[in-house]
Amino acid sequence: GNSVTQMEGPVTLSEEAFLTINCTYTATGYPSLFWYVQYPGEGLQLLLKATKADDKGSNKGFEATYRKETTSFHLEKGSVQVSDSAVYFCALSDQGSQGNLIFGKGTKLSVKP
Amino acid sequence: GAGVSQTPSNKVTEKGKYVELRCDPISGHTALYWYRQSLGQGPEFLIYFQGTGAADDSGLPNDRFFAVRPEGSVSTLKIQRTERGDSAVYLCASREIPTGGGSEAFFGQGTRLTVV
Repeated sequence: GNSVTQMEGPVTLSEEAFLTINCTYTATGYPSLFWYVQYPGEGLQLLLKATKADDKGSNKGFEATYRKETTSFHLEKGSVQVSDSAVYFCALSDQGSQGNLIFGKGTKLSVKP
Repeated sequence: GAGVSQTPSNKVTEKGKYVELRCDPISGHTALYWYRQSLGQGPEFLIYFQGTGAADDSGLPNDRFFAVRPEGSVSTLKIQRTERGDSAVYLCASREIPTGGGSEAFFGQGTRLTVV
């Protein structure tokens, strides 16, 4: 069945450091891929998405590229800020489904000043 | 309202009791989903509604769990004879387009259920 595997945390970085959170997936067909973020005390929010191979999703300085050949959707940011501290979830949605999301376990990021 | 609203935000109940969790989706969103998030895990799908009908309830763990959406808007997740293992955050999400994987799902802040 479909599944998502993402890098386990927690990840602790200094402000302005480079961030990578790895995400790989297993799916039949051509899923859409997402990164959701959960800030402390808030609900899940969509950070970025990509709906087909080689698409790059980007938002708030974060980027992720849909790589079908490596079944990956790694999240990157060139310079993190304290305000980026949150839990990040990689997810997929099977194009043939009703839009159900399958999530990874989440990666907690802490950015220190 | 502006977003997906879930009530209550926290619920503590005794083992064996019945609980109801409510979700108010974004107005006009026909697709509604329930997820369960255990500590340290990602959300896991429970049930999907398209309009008033449960189009997919394959994620419900057992027959103690049931959900309704009688008028195609508000949904209630019902758990009978609660067990300590039911303790988790229950998340609701809604989406404007019922099918297709690429559109955005909007999540509520969840109900934290604790069974003691």
